[in-house]
Amino acid sequence: NAGVTQTPKFRILKIGQSMTLQCTQDMNHNYMYWYRQDPGMGLRLIHYSVGEGTTAKGEVPDGYNVSRLKKQNFLLGLESAAPSQTSVYFCASSYRGQGANEQFFGPGTRLTVL
Amino acid sequence: AQRVTQPEKLLSVFKGAPVELKCNYSYSGSPELFWYVQYSRQRLQLLLRHISRESIKGFTADLNKGETSFHLKKPFAQEEDSAMYYCALSKGSARQLTFGSGTQLTVLP
Repeated sequence: NAGVTQTPKFRILKIGQSMTLQCTQDMNHNYMYWYRQDPGMGLRLIHYSVGEGTTAKGEVPDGYNVSRLKKQNFLLGLESAAPSQTSVYFCASSYRGQGANEQFFGPGTRLTVL
Repeated sequence: AQRVTQPEKLLSVFKGAPVELKCNYSYSGSPELFWYVQYSRQRLQLLLRHISRESIKGFTADLNKGETSFHLKKPFAQEEDSAMYYCALSKGSARQLTFGSGTQLTVLP
């Protein structure tokens, strides 16, 4: 199993450009998440999804949109990139069940907006 | 609102010395707490969770509800323990995580 995979690994955007980050998991997990990691701030939740066709806002959703058309895929879109969106983006997934379930993380996408 | 605080950004200890990474939380409900670790050039991975009350790689963490703490401890640090450690609190319908800002642990030879 590949676990959680993300594409691309790196990307440089100009201000105002758009792009989509892709996340795929092969563990049949119901829950998927997008986080951003910034120095000194840890990881912050952008959006999440509890299942196919459903999404919800996290802590820092502004400037991002998401879609979950298929259970295994969770897409993160930037419509008009801004320098404040320079970050490392992590996708994660977890099993839906009772109690505290482990989240499995992807390798990350390093995005720079110039 | 829930919050996770890791007061130390950087922590250095010598090999064989005890290490404690601090984590405090604020949460109105019954917390579900985790420690995640990110080794150099590897993805973030679960180290341990409080409900398991387990020891992983020699690390333990005890939930202290009175002090609202979940400190991570290891009696004898090893060089391979050098990594970024995140304390996290799980809540909500999708068990989404609120992370602390992380502590970069360096174990010196």
